[in-house]
Amino acid sequence: AQSVSQHNHHVILSEAASLELGCNYSYGGTVNLFWYVQYPGQHLQLLLKYFSGDPLVKGIKGFEAEFIKSKFSFNLRKPSVQWSDTAEYFCAVNERQAGTALIFGKGTTLSVSS
Amino acid sequence: ETGVTQTPRHLVMGMTNKKSLKCEQHLGHNAMYWYKQSAKKPLELMFVYSLEERVENNSVPSRFSPECPNSSHLFLHLHTLQPEDSALYLCASSQGGGMAEAFFGQGTRLTVV
Repeated sequence: AQSVSQHNHHVILSEAASLELGCNYSYGGTVNLFWYVQYPGQHLQLLLKYFSGDPLVKGIKGFEAEFIKSKFSFNLRKPSVQWSDTAEYFCAVNERQAGTALIFGKGTTLSVSS
Repeated sequence: ETGVTQTPRHLVMGMTNKKSLKCEQHLGHNAMYWYKQSAKKPLELMFVYSLEERVENNSVPSRFSPECPNSSHLFLHLHTLQPEDSALYLCASSQGGGMAEAFFGQGTRLTVV
């Protein structure tokens, strides 16, 4: 069965610090990869996604993620965080061929202090 | 506003009650999903409907009963729930499966007392 691991449960940063959130998945086939964000009191929304092609994908609000197939990883990065990035971040994967529903990690809470 | 609307936003129910959660999507999508979000746990996929047919049921107890009367509406009927069922229940929709981005509603915060 597919699974997604997010290693950091809670990350605390100061504004302007760089961010990297880890995500690893376990699945041997071809997958699509996603990062979703949930701001306090709001719905889950898509940050970025990887289907194929350039393994470095750019999303909204200055976020990017790099797919490293050999490491089964899809880490999220941002060079300089802002207070408004305080939110919960979820990595998700689904199986491309079968078109299955998204499987999510436990999420990482990011707290940014100004 | 995501195009996926869930009602009610909050629900408190006793263990002997019967209630229903409603989800409506205005995006023209053909797949809808129920997820359960509990503290410190991954979002758990509960049910998947594609073209109004249930295609996945992730070993969910029978006290949760989904219904998809058409491609725009999805219900989750609840009866004789347990306190551990208290969670945020999220509805999502997508156009197709594997390549599609899922759009989520704001969820129903359920408390079972």
